[in-house]
Amino acid sequence: AQKITQTQPGMFVQEKEAVTLDCTYDTSDQSYGLFWYKQPSSGEMIFLIYQGSYDEQNATEGRYSLNFQKARKSANLVISASQLGDSAMYFCAIWAGWGKLIFGQGTELSVKP
Amino acid sequence: DTGVSQNPRHKITKRGQNVTFRCDPISEHNRLYWYRQTLGQGPEFLTYFQNEAQLEKSRLLSDRFSAERPKGSFSTLEIQRTEQGDSAMYLCASSHRRYEQYFGPGTRLTVT
Repeated sequence: AQKITQTQPGMFVQEKEAVTLDCTYDTSDQSYGLFWYKQPSSGEMIFLIYQGSYDEQNATEGRYSLNFQKARKSANLVISASQLGDSAMYFCAIWAGWGKLIFGQGTELSVKP
Repeated sequence: DTGVSQNPRHKITKRGQNVTFRCDPISEHNRLYWYRQTLGQGPEFLTYFQNEAQLEKSRLLSDRFSAERPKGSFSTLEIQRTEQGDSAMYLCASSHRRYEQYFGPGTRLTVT
């Protein structure tokens, strides 16, 4: 069975600094996908970035990049130049067949001015 | 592209009552998912439709829960004889590719 572990319940970062949110995963599948979603206080889950297990390069989307270390089974999210609007819950997830996602417990990020 | 919509956004009901939620996916998305999220947790998968076919159901989806997608467009999730433990955010997502799921704003259910 697939599993996602996010060990940081809460993180603080100063505005304009970079921050790394940790995610480790467990799966026996050879082919899988890893995702990060942002959930602001409004509740909507916002897709940020995707990494396929066979992708040779780390995924990047604007200020978001995914530090994928397959041997260590980690998929950390790096947010560069943090903004106040980045304050939210962040969830790491793994694709688990039929498209369903298995989510971690999330990390609450607070950006300080 | 107006995004995934869900109605109602909030529902307060008394224990034992039935409730029904609606999800309208992004047009032309053939895959639709329901998730449940309780406070402080990540979303948990409930069920998945491809077009009108319900292809997978989580064991979390007890006999009191039923989901339909009759014409392969919108979907409904019904909870019968609600219990306090059903209080949660119910999220709907849709996709047209295998991995990129777009979520709606959710329906927050409170069972008193």
